[in-house]
Amino acid sequence: DAKTTQPPSMDCAEGRAANLPCNHSTISGNEYVYWYRQIHSQGPQYIIHGLKNNETNEMASLIITEDRKSSTLILPHATLRDTAVYYCIVRVVNTDKLIFGTGTRLQVFP
Amino acid sequence: EPEVTQTPSHQVTQMGQEVILRCVPISNHLYFYWYRQILGQKVEFLVSFYNNEISEKSEIFDDQFSVERPDGSNFTLKIRSTKLEDSAMYFCASSESGAAGTEAFFGQGTRLTVV
Repeated sequence: DAKTTQPPSMDCAEGRAANLPCNHSTISGNEYVYWYRQIHSQGPQYIIHGLKNNETNEMASLIITEDRKSSTLILPHATLRDTAVYYCIVRVVNTDKLIFGTGTRLQVFP
Repeated sequence: EPEVTQTPSHQVTQMGQEVILRCVPISNHLYFYWYRQILGQKVEFLVSFYNNEISEKSEIFDDQFSVERPDGSNFTLKIRSTKLEDSAMYFCASSESGAAGTEAFFGQGTRLTVV
């Protein structure tokens, strides 16, 4: 089972920041948090990942709380093309696989 | 930008037939994966493959499934005798390594329809 909890859906106005929360209270010290998204039935698209420190790339920022029990994915200026299901995944140690949950369905509206 | 390529994009097959789904991973990647997603359900891990052998597999990946890297570029998933419940999107993924901080990149998927 997935080790994360996410709200099932969120809305965001185009041009505004989308802040997607994720709880992972049972995360271990060496387990990474990954974010992927899936647009329609396309393949999951990698967004960002992190361990302890906040991370930023050209797509998004990842804010991980100090106790690592939760994180937030931030899309700084959401566009209509960002409408997708966003998955927060804790990669379990000593395994190759990603365990997908049900994710958050983000709807960006004009 | 390098990407994972899957063919065909859509495959229709009769129940009981064998199908082979093909993937070309990103060229310098060493770890390869198959996932599937039944319509309306979660993305599920099937198998991971490294150094020409399976490194991990799920309960779904039973004897009907097999994987192969027949040459230096392709990675295939074979379903020997398809069932109706095998209808799903099948996603191939690859990563540079299996280390915990390494990202995996997914292809656009093959939609398998078993009739």
